[in-house]
Amino acid sequence: DTEVTQTPKHLVMGMTNKKSLKCEQHMGHRAMYWYKQKAKKPPELMFVYSYEKLSINESVPSRFSPECPNSSLLNLHLHALQPEDSALYLCASSQEVVGQGLTEAFFGQGTRLTVV
Amino acid sequence: AQSVTQLDSQVPVFEEAPVELRCNYSSSVSVYLFWYVQYPNQGLQLLLKYLSGSTLVKGINGFEAEFNKSQTSFHLRKPSVHISDTAEYFCAVSAPDQTGANNLFFGTGTRLTVIP
Repeated sequence: DTEVTQTPKHLVMGMTNKKSLKCEQHMGHRAMYWYKQKAKKPPELMFVYSYEKLSINESVPSRFSPECPNSSLLNLHLHALQPEDSALYLCASSQEVVGQGLTEAFFGQGTRLTVV
Repeated sequence: AQSVTQLDSQVPVFEEAPVELRCNYSSSVSVYLFWYVQYPNQGLQLLLKYLSGSTLVKGINGFEAEFNKSQTSFHLRKPSVHISDTAEYFCAVSAPDQTGANNLFFGTGTRLTVIP
């Protein structure tokens, strides 16, 4: 099973709503990632979890709050978002080998988020 | 620091013609190199990767790429394209960052359009 599953596929939320994006993998990977992708742009890294600890936070606004409940799950909690936060949010996972670089990352299909 | 440059933002090509998508990288350390494909409203799918060994790498869907260390390039090629190859293609590099965590750095993408 080389699948990363993201739910929901589409989400429309108001600026005062609270919602969560979910990501799951069962490949035994110990690194999980959230990326944000705007239209016609490359993915931009938001957060990295390594062995369930937050290892990278790319200066993301606090209205985005990641959570890694266990090694298979990754959540992204959303609160008080702005219309400019509308984007495709991608989750990825990879095998974690410290100091050896990322040898392969598997991506989910993404959640298309629209903030109204 | 690592960076990736994809020289062509758009490449139109006729069906059954050959294609080359260009990618150059810069890094002060050894890197791993990747090509991903993204179909509309989808996540990223790995086409191929170079970690070490033979500089000619074969991937899925008939694509191949050649790692050239002296020119710091990793160009993607296909001898005969199909309509179904129309998509966005991203070159990416990984290397341990200053915190020791793994990360993927993406180029800006090349939109391949196959013309019937």
